[in-house]
Amino acid sequence: AQTVTQSQPEMSVQEAETVTLSCTYDTSENNYYLFWYKQPPSRQMILVIRQEAYKQQNATENRFSVNFQKAAKSFSLKISDSQLGDTAMYFCAFNTNAGKSTFGDGTTLTVKP
Amino acid sequence: SQTIHQWPATLVQPVGSPLSLECTVEGTSNPNLYWYRQAAGRGLQLLFYSVGIGQISSEVPQNLSASRPQDRQFILSSKKLLLSDSGFYLCAQCQKNMNTGELFFGEGSRLTVL
Repeated sequence: AQTVTQSQPEMSVQEAETVTLSCTYDTSENNYYLFWYKQPPSRQMILVIRQEAYKQQNATENRFSVNFQKAAKSFSLKISDSQLGDTAMYFCAFNTNAGKSTFGDGTTLTVKP
Repeated sequence: SQTIHQWPATLVQPVGSPLSLECTVEGTSNPNLYWYRQAAGRGLQLLFYSVGIGQISSEVPQNLSASRPQDRQFILSSKKLLLSDSGFYLCAQCQKNMNTGELFFGEGSRLTVL
């Protein structure tokens, strides 16, 4: 069974600074996808960034980037130039079978002005 | 664009009462549909998923059931609620032609069982 571990229940960062959220996972699969989802206080979950395991290049979406270390089974999210709107709960998720995603317990990020 | 509607948004029910949470999807057809439950401060637990009308798979034994009477309708039900059924329920969909498994979520339904 796949597991996803987010070891940081809560984090905070000053506005405009950079923060990194950690995620590790466990699987015996070779082909899979990793995701970071954001759940703002308004509650609707949205996708932040996606990484295909077969791609060596780390995914980037504007201020969001990942550090994907396949051998170490690590998938961290870096948020640059943090904004107040980045305050949310962030979930790391793993998927091998189109839609049956396994989620971590989340990291609550607070961006301070 | 695809959207997912869930209702009711909030619900307070006594123990032993029935439950019906509804999820409808717009802007796509023949999606995979999912019910997740999120306990307070925790991650998402997959409860049910459906690959088509009338096709339901249960991930964990529980007091709940799911049905998919139409292609874009997914219902979560219970005949008698338990205190442990309290939580935040999220409906999600995934397009079959997206091999990545990216999920699109509804706004959620918060259930409190008293």
